[in-house]
Order: sequence, then C-alpha cells, then structure tokens
Amino acid sequence: DAKTTQPTSMDCAEGRAANLPCNHSTISGNEYVYWYRQIHSQGPQYIIHGLKNNETNEMASLIITEDRKSSTLILPHATLRDTAVYYCIVRVAESGGSNYKLTFGKGTLLTVNP
Amino acid sequence: SAVISQKPSRDICQRGTSLTIQCQVDSQVTMMFWYRQQPGQSLTLIATANQGSEATYESGFVIDKFPISRPNLTFSTLTVSNMSPEDSSIYLCSVDGGRGYGYTFGSGTRLTVV
Repeated sequence: DAKTTQPTSMDCAEGRAANLPCNHSTISGNEYVYWYRQIHSQGPQYIIHGLKNNETNEMASLIITEDRKSSTLILPHATLRDTAVYYCIVRVAESGGSNYKLTFGKGTLLTVNP
Repeated sequence: SAVISQKPSRDICQRGTSLTIQCQVDSQVTMMFWYRQQPGQSLTLIATANQGSEATYESGFVIDKFPISRPNLTFSTLTVSNMSPEDSSIYLCSVDGGRGYGYTFGSGTRLTVV
C-alpha cells in the first residue's frame, strides 16, 4: 500500500530552486519522512529526513507541514547533476529497531534543464 | 556513514544457471537488506539478512529462489537461482547507516538473463 503520493515528473531550470512535494496524509505520529534519490544506473542516495521540524543539510532542506500530512524537499540551486528520481518514504524509527523497512514508491523524476 | 562494495557490477547469464552477488560493508552492521529493481520500476525489498539467523523474506520471494548467506557482520551474499529472463533486474544491497545517515545502498548488480 502506497503511503506517499508524489508527482510522476517535474522540470526545473538549472540554478533555480527545485521544490518536490510529497503527500503522506496517513502518516502516524511516530513515522519519519525520508527522502532518497536515485541517479540513473546508481543505487539510491540518502538526502534528508525529519519527524516534524524543518531540517536542512548540505544537500537540501525539508519542510514538513504542521499537520505532517505533506512535505516538500527543496534543492536550493539545482544543477544538471541533480537530475534523478526522488523518493519520499515514511518509516517508523529513525534508525534500527524492528520497523526497519524502507518501502519505495514510484518517486518523482526531476529533470534539471540547462 | 557505511560504505558498501557490491560485486559483480553487472553480468549476463544463461537461463537455468545461478549467480551469487556479494555485498561487503566497511563496518559491522546488524541487518543487511537485499532489493530488486526491475526495468523501469522502483525498488522492492527481497529479504533482510541478520547475522547468525535465517534471512527474513518478503511476500513473493522464497529462499529456494533467492538463498542468502550472512556469515559475519560485514558480508552477505544473495544468489539468484535457476534464472529466467524475468530475473533480469538490478539487485542492490543496503545497510542502515545509523542515526542521521539513513540507509546506504550499494551501486547494484545489473543482471541480464538470456
């Protein structure tokens, strides 16, 4: 059962911010929101995760709505190398534990154009 | 975070044969995960491999077809047995990178069965 909904594809101009939305309206109080991306022919790469507060790291920012039913991944200055499939995943537990599974949906294909 | 080395990176195999994929991690990890990514599809979890116990398989995957070994805390193998063209996929191993790092994935094994 899909727990997240993402647009199939998005385009972004190089140098502009890429804002990737994700709906997770059935998220539980103890579930984290994770973002991964998969560049063609590579394994998925962890980007960022959060529970309820907004998060930022060297790759991206994660904005989670107050009701936690949706989130947005922001790549502040997209480059051509950011072209990839981006997966939004909800998962119980930040690390380890018994509920360890990552269930991948179809993700969003982000194409960064020159 | 953990670094994974996965071998082989690709192979072309005859139907009816078997292929063993190796996954080496640079640190000790409790659980290792094996995924399959069929052409144009998202990732599907095959099984979870714990050191010292039998692997736990997801629905639709069986030990006879995908036997897994986990001899120590840094290594695992997945065998794809009695292959058919439908087994042509990318197979990836993954480990929990720990708090704050998310899951780390190997670069994958691209298998083509002819």
